[in-house]
Amino acid sequence: GAGVSQSPSNKVTEKGKDVELRCDPISGHTALYWYRQSLGQGLEFLIYFQGNSAPDKSGLPSDRFSAERTGGSVSTLTIQRTQQEDSAVYLCASSLAVVRGSSTDTQYFGPGTRLTVL
Amino acid sequence: TQLLEQSPQFLSIQEGENLTVYCNSSSVFSSLQWYRQEPGEGPVLLVTVVTGGEVKKLKRLTFQFGDARKDSSLHITAAQPGDTGLYLCAGGETSGSRLTFGEGTQLTVNP
Repeated sequence: GAGVSQSPSNKVTEKGKDVELRCDPISGHTALYWYRQSLGQGLEFLIYFQGNSAPDKSGLPSDRFSAERTGGSVSTLTIQRTQQEDSAVYLCASSLAVVRGSSTDTQYFGPGTRLTVL
Repeated sequence: TQLLEQSPQFLSIQEGENLTVYCNSSSVFSSLQWYRQEPGEGPVLLVTVVTGGEVKKLKRLTFQFGDARKDSSLHITAAQPGDTGLYLCAGGETSGSRLTFGEGTQLTVNP
């Protein structure tokens, strides 16, 4: 594929409902990242997958948040019992990350999913 | 926790003016990246600097990494309306590939 794709582009849900956000990384990229961005602000790291290694979940804000990556490609970020403070743009990025810990990995971002919790 | 502070948070200038955006931290980063983001899109990488004191130029944009690898600056010469956007700096940690982002600088260049 041409780039990282995310779906849906917009999601409006009611407080307390569960939501699933999908990310399709660039083909061949072994590393995948999820970030959260509040309006006009910087990105907050959520979770990082690298190949078959255990994911780095240190950025997940609560146990209502979880993510999985099946077959080393597509990833799904799930938010259970959504709260109004979960409203944000959720961005996914992927990189080649041939060498874990490389300081020069280039992360390519998708367009994001704008989540609004009413 | 490593933090990056960007300044200014908002900047509105006239076409043709010069500007500098700063990115500062008390922590050392293995690399520093600058991104530009437009509404409704993800950030797009502009440059990566990895060596203390490094200076990189990209047309009218000049990026500098501090000698101690704790701070960076982005200088734009003769700004144009097409430069309008959210500029984000991000630090790469020495272990792992996660990035720590600054809060961003919203630049508006008026014609």
